[in-house]
Amino acid sequence: GQNIDQPTEMTATEGAIVQINCTYQTSGFNGLFWYQQHAGEAPTFLSYNVLDGLEEKGRFSSFLSRSKGYSYLLLKELQMKDSASYLCAVMDSNYQLIWGAGTKLIIKP
Amino acid sequence: IAGITQAPTSQILAAGRRMTLRCTQDMRHNAMYWYRQDLGLGLRLIHYSNTAGTTGKGEVPDGYSVSRANTDDFPLTLASAVPSQTSVYFCASSEKRGGTDTQYFGPGTRLTVL
Repeated sequence: GQNIDQPTEMTATEGAIVQINCTYQTSGFNGLFWYQQHAGEAPTFLSYNVLDGLEEKGRFSSFLSRSKGYSYLLLKELQMKDSASYLCAVMDSNYQLIWGAGTKLIIKP
Repeated sequence: IAGITQAPTSQILAAGRRMTLRCTQDMRHNAMYWYRQDLGLGLRLIHYSNTAGTTGKGEVPDGYSVSRANTDDFPLTLASAVPSQTSVYFCASSEKRGGTDTQYFGPGTRLTVL
C-alpha cells in the first residue's frame, strides 16, 4: 500500500530552526509537496520537489532524496505565526496526491 | 477576489438526509477535487474532475457523487448521509491534473452527521 509518514507533533522555540521529516512509499513518484495548514483553515502550498536536492524559499527550504524515499522541510528563524500543521504529499504514478497526516508544529516564545 | 468558495461553512445533518456541498472557483482551472480531512488521517480524495464534463473516483468515493457541468462549479452530494461522513470537506482546484500543478484549496465545510 501507499504510505506517507511524518511525526505527529513537534515543539520548537521562537527564533530557532526546526526540521520536519517525511518518508514515503508510493506506487510511482511524480513529485513531493509541502503544505501549511493553520488550525481551522485550508492548506496552502509551500514547496514542490521533483529532483533530488534542496529548494530554498526565504525562511523555508525543502529537501528530497528519491532513492531514500525521504524529504524534509526546514524552517528557519521561527516565528509564532509558523505554528501550524505541515502536510507532506506525494504525487503517485496516477497523478493522485497521497497525503501524510500532518505534523503539528508548536512554537514557544 | 480570485479563489475558491465553499458553502455552507458548516452544517449539522440528520442521518439519512441528502446534502449537497457547493464549490465554485473563478481561476478557470481545469481540474477540481474533493477531499475529506479526519483527525489523525491525511487528506483523502473522494472524487476529482480533470475538466468540465468528466469526473473520476478517488480513494474514498462510496456514498458520494459529483458532477461537473461547467468549469467553475463542482458540487459534492451525499445521497443519504451516515455518521461516518462526519468530517471537514475541502474542495481544491489546479490548472490541470498532475505534474507540478499546485492545488489551491477552498476554506472547507465542516459537516456533522447525527
